[in-house]
Amino acid sequence: NAGVTQTPKFRVLKTGQSMTLLCAQDMNHEYMYWYRQDPGMGLRLIHYSVGEGTTAKGEVPDGYNVSRLKKQNFLLGLESAAPSQTSVYFCASSPPWNTEAFFGQGTRLTVV
Amino acid sequence: AQTVTQSQPEMSVQEAETVTRSCTYDTSENNYYLFWYKQPPSRQMILVIRQEAYKQQNATENRFSVNFQKAAKSFSLKISDSQLGDTAMYFCAFMIAVGSSGDKLTFGTGTRLAVRP
Repeated sequence: NAGVTQTPKFRVLKTGQSMTLLCAQDMNHEYMYWYRQDPGMGLRLIHYSVGEGTTAKGEVPDGYNVSRLKKQNFLLGLESAAPSQTSVYFCASSPPWNTEAFFGQGTRLTVV
Repeated sequence: AQTVTQSQPEMSVQEAETVTRSCTYDTSENNYYLFWYKQPPSRQMILVIRQEAYKQQNATENRFSVNFQKAAKSFSLKISDSQLGDTAMYFCAFMIAVGSSGDKLTFGTGTRLAVRP
């Protein structure tokens, strides 16, 4: 079972470059989320989606955009990367009312 | 807004010992869920245990149990007979039970546990 798969696992970007992180889930979950994890700060919600074609802002959305064109995929975009976006990014998915979120393995992004 | 606080420093225990990690939270909601997630060195986030706020009985999952004190807004994790595989960062998390607007988690800052042989 693949579960939640994130691509890529590691990436180094230069300031100002753009990139897209891909999250794919094969569990037919309605809800998907993007979190970032920084040292000493736990995980914080960037954006989330409650269904195909819908997205909403989380706690720290600035500098990021997302899209959910297909139910199984949730894309996180950085249009102009900044060093403050150096972090580990986690995607998660869950069915409604289930309360258990399933996480991907994380993407370590470094912006230099 | 909800907040989750984990203030304990790192802890090291020997195999087979019992260890407790504390968590406090703040909310004005009445219906919510509380979680403990484990993040081993592999970085994978793994659900350890879940507690529904409306249930008075403390959740138990094999060697893991919680002490849920709703009035005190306290949610501690107890690991019995600790094993080397329990070495990880442990995160307390909170979720409001609303369903249709997404089951969004609010995490604490984590507390590191090392189990030594």
